Amino acid sequence: EPEVTQTPSHQVTQMGQEVILRCVPISNHLYFYWYRQILGQKVEFLVSFYNNEISEKSEIFDDQFSVERPDGSNFTLKIRSTKLEDSAMYFCASSSQSTNYGYTFGSGTRLTVV
Amino acid sequence: AQSVTQLGSHVSVSEGALVLLRCNYSSSVPPYLFWYVQYPNQGLQLLLKYTTGATLVKGINGFEAEFKKSETSFHLTKPSAHMSDAAEYFCAVSDTGGYNKLIFGAGTRLAVHP
Repeated sequence: EPEVTQTPSHQVTQMGQEVILRCVPISNHLYFYWYRQILGQKVEFLVSFYNNEISEKSEIFDDQFSVERPDGSNFTLKIRSTKLEDSAMYFCASSSQSTNYGYTFGSGTRLTVV
Repeated sequence: AQSVTQLGSHVSVSEGALVLLRCNYSSSVPPYLFWYVQYPNQGLQLLLKYTTGATLVKGINGFEAEFKKSETSFHLTKPSAHMSDAAEYFCAVSDTGGYNKLIFGAGTRLAVHP
């Protein structure tokens, strides 16, 4: 069964550093998303991406965040200057009409900012 | 704005007992509704979804949920709990159309005792 692949599974970074979280969505999916889950809290929407542009973003997705689809397969989330409160599990997801609107999530990247 | 309320952050049942996880939503448009399961240190796996049509939907692992518009509910049930069902369960809602963001509830942690 096709999977959404995220790398790395765990990343530790120092406050103020830039991090790039990587995702490979399912190949025939056209809609891509990033969500995050702070430990012990609910899963929160960050951003959706379609046709090489952001289709929607949340209040969380401020200027320190950016997304990119640099080639035909990868979908990245960049955090420019990490803060302690960015520590969370970040999930990538993809979707298409063929899935009848069932999003497929990756296993997540646990980001720890120290 | 859409929202999801999951009653009970922790539910404990005996193996073989009925599982009932409650979810109520708020939406100004006909919603699409989802249940996801998250096992420890893993990503989110789709259990089942309601988009249109039959209001009783069946998912994987013997789970089912019923969309009740009059009660704005989408409760998840399983007739007989298994030890392997122990996990965190998230209810989510999205706008009709399928490609819109998911709004998640806070989650319910299900414990299954022998």
